[in-house]
Amino acid sequence: KAGVTQTPRYLIKTRGQQVTLSCSPISGHRSVSWYQQTPGQGLQFLFEYFSETQRNKGNFPGRFSGRQFSNSRSEMNVSTLELGDSALYLCASSLLRSEQYFGPGTRLTVT
Amino acid sequence: GIQVEQSPPDLILQEGANSTLRCNFSDSVNNLQWFHQNPWGQLINLFYIPSGTKQNGRLSATTVATERYSLLYISSSQTTDSGVYFCAVERLGAQKLVFGQGTRLTINP
Repeated sequence: KAGVTQTPRYLIKTRGQQVTLSCSPISGHRSVSWYQQTPGQGLQFLFEYFSETQRNKGNFPGRFSGRQFSNSRSEMNVSTLELGDSALYLCASSLLRSEQYFGPGTRLTVT
Repeated sequence: GIQVEQSPPDLILQEGANSTLRCNFSDSVNNLQWFHQNPWGQLINLFYIPSGTKQNGRLSATTVATERYSLLYISSSQTTDSGVYFCAVERLGAQKLVFGQGTRLTINP
């Protein structure tokens, strides 16, 4: 069974631009979560989707948004990028209330 | 919210040594996972262990939920065990993992 996939793997953007990251969960998994990892803040929860509904959201500004499609694939969008948004963005999928499996991540650099 | 503390923050050992990593958490949890982050950033699942003891080769883990801690044991360490180990917990109904700050393990040949 294929694992969680994320695209693109690397991305360089300029301040003020927006970016969209994509995540395809493990087949059959309907829950998708997103996390941001930075050297200063560690791993922090962004949001979680289940059956196209956002069930939980972390403490991030409204510039961070996401959605989930009917095939459970998810996208997250960051608008008006800031230097501090440079990070590794990780996506995880799971069955309901069980072990989470992570993708390889997207490394975003904002210049 | 729930707090997760990992210790030690850094651990340097010689190849062949044994190590114990600890994770303390501040509230009841229904999910606890241990991960190893590889050099490219991916989190590799080691254990899903909200309670009890599990073993997988040279690695084993124990979670004592009533006392709110978990231990990860690595025996006969190899250089490939180097990296950052994370503990993450999830409270019932929270639908999110809360991570500790990690333990950076360095195994020298």
